Amino acid sequence: KQEVTQIPAALSVPEGENLVLNCSFTDSAIYNLQWFRQDPGKGLTSLLLIQSSQREQTSGRLNASLDKSSGRSTLYIAASQPGDSATYLCAVRPTGGTASKLTFGTGTRLQVTL
Amino acid sequence: ETGVTQTPRHLVMGMTNKKSLKCEQHLGHNAMYWYKQSAKKPLELMFVYSLEERVENNSVPSRFSPECPNSSHLFLHLHTLQPEDSALYLCASSQDTYGGYTFGSGTRLTVV
Repeated sequence: KQEVTQIPAALSVPEGENLVLNCSFTDSAIYNLQWFRQDPGKGLTSLLLIQSSQREQTSGRLNASLDKSSGRSTLYIAASQPGDSATYLCAVRPTGGTASKLTFGTGTRLQVTL
Repeated sequence: ETGVTQTPRHLVMGMTNKKSLKCEQHLGHNAMYWYKQSAKKPLELMFVYSLEERVENNSVPSRFSPECPNSSHLFLHLHTLQPEDSALYLCASSQDTYGGYTFGSGTRLTVV
């Protein structure tokens, strides 16, 4: 059974800092890994999607890496801003099936202070 | 309109009421999902529909009844709910094996 863990569970940093969020998964048989952002009481916004054959993806100040063999992904946020405050979730999609379900991590709650 | 749209955004219902949640996707995806998110709990998959056929039901109580009339629309019919069913209900869609998921904004349900 796939298990996804995110460390740390919560993080508070001052504005401007660069930070790294970690995601680990136990089964490397995945098609892709997706990072989401969730604001309180809201839905999930997709940030980055990394296919299993890729090593990293970048979007603006965000960079996500994937090391499938070791079961790890990191989300790097450069020059953090208060607007980055949210919960960040990673999810892996297993091999097999059109409607293969995602397994979500426990999330990292990020607070960026002024 | 693009993306995944959920209505209503908020819903308060009594335990004897019957209501429905609606989800619509304009992305041409061929699979749709209902997830439940309770406070301080990870996302729970409730139902999966692929090509309009239900392919998975994770032993969700029968007071939740899904309906997928076509590949763009998904409903969740609710009846005789319990207060513990209060949660954020999220709809998502995906396309083929390699695609990512797109989520709607969710319906915040409160059962009184």
